[in-house]
Amino acid sequence: DIQMTQSPSSLSASVGDTVTITCRASQSITTYLNWYQHKPGKAPKLLISVASSLQSGVPSRFSGTGSGTDFTLTISSLQPEDFATYYCQKSYSPPLTFGGGTRVEIK
Amino acid sequence: EVQLVESGGGLVQPGRSLRLSCTASGFTFSDYAMNWVRQVPGKGLEWLGFIRSKNYGGAADYAASVKGRFTISRDDSNSIAYLQMNSLKDEDTAVYYCGRGWRPRSDVWGQGTLVTVSS
Repeated sequence: DIQMTQSPSSLSASVGDTVTITCRASQSITTYLNWYQHKPGKAPKLLISVASSLQSGVPSRFSGTGSGTDFTLTISSLQPEDFATYYCQKSYSPPLTFGGGTRVEIK
Repeated sequence: EVQLVESGGGLVQPGRSLRLSCTASGFTFSDYAMNWVRQVPGKGLEWLGFIRSKNYGGAADYAASVKGRFTISRDDSNSIAYLQMNSLKDEDTAVYYCGRGWRPRSDVWGQGTLVTVSS
């Protein structure tokens, strides 16, 4: 099975900072990679699909890049509501494995 | 409004069974694959499995960690997906979420239902 590795596992940042989260697949998944935001007690929220397609209603400060095995989620000008945990997930063939998550905390 | 609501969680003893439901509204349920994921306290999201739509054969696939103990099914006439969990263990204590869709995305998720496995 393809493994999904996220880094870092956590980071501290201030409002207005730019944050970059990486996700690496153990084999090529072309662009079948989604990014989610998850807050405690809430439903996971899809931010970006097929590596770089921003979901409707998601602020443009979120962006995704990558293909093959290496992917990046960037949050520009971090806002207070962005403090959450972020997950990547492969989306083509099962198992649809998640990365381990990146917790974004307030500095 | 597209909505998914999980139900059926609660306290259950180790070794017992529990069935979770995911009730959908606001979209044509039969057109979509349905996923189940969970979050163990203090851990990340774990994909458990999904069931394809009838148009894609209707079969289910599972994570290795739950294969043989958990079964996903669907009732398209009532827009409900189920997660049948057997031989429950303490480590199955988690919040369980259902989500809509598969390739290329799972785009809508419910708010989850808590399952506590304890004697």
